[in-house]
Amino acid sequence: DVKVTQSSRYLVKRTGEKVFLECVQDMDHENMFWYRQDPGLGLRLIYFSYDVKMKEKGDIPEGYSVSREKKERFSLILESASTNQTSMYLCASSIGKNTEAFFGQGTRLTVV
Amino acid sequence: GQSLEQPSEVTAVEGAIVQINCTYQTSGFYGLSWYQQHDGGAPTFLSYNGLDGLEETGRFSSFLSRSDSYGYLLLQELQMKDSASYFCAAPHNTNAGKSTFGDGTTLTVKP
Repeated sequence: DVKVTQSSRYLVKRTGEKVFLECVQDMDHENMFWYRQDPGLGLRLIYFSYDVKMKEKGDIPEGYSVSREKKERFSLILESASTNQTSMYLCASSIGKNTEAFFGQGTRLTVV
Repeated sequence: GQSLEQPSEVTAVEGAIVQINCTYQTSGFYGLSWYQQHDGGAPTFLSYNGLDGLEETGRFSSFLSRSDSYGYLLLQELQMKDSASYFCAAPHNTNAGKSTFGDGTTLTVKP
């Protein structure tokens, strides 16, 4: 079974803090993605990566950055957390041009 | 850009059949995926339609009509465990992970 593991299920951070959300997948997938999920807004793509050290902006990249130093790990960074970044963050991975994406359990981040 | 519309809520009874519709507007279209998400859980892949027609997987089927920019997910013999949110998604290219998602339909199955 493919496993996508996010380091924390729940996180509470203060405004202005630098926040790291970690995601690891164990199936050698080339592609990794970060989404945020808000009630009534579905899933929105923040950043994605098709290869190590490669990154591309998604639909809502403002206030975020990412890092992919190893194939299995994709980190989402909030440089200076703000209250409007309180959300559920979902990491996903996929292989090649396969039609199925695999999601982690999500990190519910609260910024106070 | 891409946008997908689906109903926000659907309610049905155990044993019934329910259809969740998804209409889309896209500048480029490769196919339509469906994901299920239980409360507090991860979205899990259900099906993908790259071509027009019906795809069947057990109690779940998915349909696509490119000419109508429309698809649906059909759930048969509903069970209580089918209560969840269902999302349609359109991959931006043939890579599944880079997708635009609909806002989700919350399905409530009642006894």
